[in-house]
Amino acid sequence: RKEVEQDPGPFNVPEGATVAFNCTYSNSASQSFFWYRQDCRKEPKLLMSVYSSGNEDGRFTAQLNRASQYISLLIRDSKLSDSATYLCVVIIKRNYGQNFVFGPGTRLSVLP
Amino acid sequence: GAVVSQHPSRVICKSGTSVKIECRSLDFQATTMFWYRQFPKQSLMLMATSNEGSKATYEQGVEKDKFLINHASLTLSTLTVTSAHPEDSSFYICSARDRDPYEQYFGPGTRLTVT
Repeated sequence: RKEVEQDPGPFNVPEGATVAFNCTYSNSASQSFFWYRQDCRKEPKLLMSVYSSGNEDGRFTAQLNRASQYISLLIRDSKLSDSATYLCVVIIKRNYGQNFVFGPGTRLSVLP
Repeated sequence: GAVVSQHPSRVICKSGTSVKIECRSLDFQATTMFWYRQFPKQSLMLMATSNEGSKATYEQGVEKDKFLINHASLTLSTLTVTSAHPEDSSFYICSARDRDPYEQYFGPGTRLTVT
């Protein structure tokens, strides 16, 4: 089983739609959680951290459920510029340090 | 925010040759640098972790004799793909962090094509 799994996608939604992405992780010792965004042929960029209490940044809301080992990202009022691949990232402590483990990503296309 | 650069951004080489990719932290000292590889439509896979002045720690399945990593200074790490083969063609991305283990700054990536 992969350490981090995500909805395979792709998600094709019209502008203005609300879309939700899910992510599950298998290592209960995972320490921190993030959503990254990656545009085609570019490096990933941090979108937002995910906190246990849930957090919101404009149109984006992230939730964490440690008991279910589940993370979500909700995007409201989708814009064309939101089209990208969204990567769920979990920090896992290894013997030699803390590593970022990336999920496979979910591709979003927002259509006009 | 912190800036990480990579050079070259794109390289095409012939099978059997070696290619060196540089990763630099421009405005901070990177105690740790990471090298990732991303194949088309797949996620980033960590190849190795390098700490300045010590040997890199490679992930399972990554050949350390093929992917040579040097982290000689706090602002520079290099990845050398030796005896490259077409299956090494990929997007190689480095990241760097200072003392905060929860933050990594990513370079823009290097697209390697081996013909």
